[in-house]
Amino acid sequence: SQLAEENSWALSVHEGESVTVNCSYKTSITALQWYRQKSGKGPAQLILIRSNEREKRNGRLRATLDTSSQSSSLSITATRCEDTAVYFCATDTNAYKVIFGKGTHLHVLP
Amino acid sequence: NSKVIQTPRYLVKGQGQKAKMRCIPEKGHPVVFWYQQNKNNEFKFLINFQNQEVLQQIDMTEKRFSAECPSNSPCSLEIQSSEAGDSALYLCASSLLGNTGQLYFGEGSKLTVL
Repeated sequence: SQLAEENSWALSVHEGESVTVNCSYKTSITALQWYRQKSGKGPAQLILIRSNEREKRNGRLRATLDTSSQSSSLSITATRCEDTAVYFCATDTNAYKVIFGKGTHLHVLP
Repeated sequence: NSKVIQTPRYLVKGQGQKAKMRCIPEKGHPVVFWYQQNKNNEFKFLINFQNQEVLQQIDMTEKRFSAECPSNSPCSLEIQSSEAGDSALYLCASSLLGNTGQLYFGEGSKLTVL
């Protein structure tokens, strides 16, 4: 079973619009991370938010964390075509691993 | 730009052949992870190391898969006898803090088993 998973398989928006990707997880965590993977590339981290934090920003990106509902969101404002990618949430575990969700495909249309 | 170097980028093997992939982690990162990513983008954790020691590995790794991270040499992941189901992107990542810190990924080695 997935310990972390995004709630949407795919999203499409037009350039300039905002979009939010949601993630739920099943275990207690120390930190939740958001990664982006573009076609043909390895994943790149966008934001790391620790369990004692509720919100973290990185430029046009904003991540929230709600440990009571075991959920997180990643919002992207003023989307650009280059934001087209697969977005993953990932959580640590108590067994040295980092578990990735199944990913949300985001398509930003011109 | 990724500073984790994975080679080769692509490899094609027949069933039963060995497949070996290498990874040079980011300098100073003591923790290395290997993941298998299938065509549906799903990640499967395979093994991780802290310095040269195995921290955690899955059962699959214990059978046909072997991995090592020797000091002063690239880390490696080897599949002893490739199967069609092993076709995937194999991703190596390194981390300064282990599983509570950022993972820095390489571009991956894409294995196709014919």
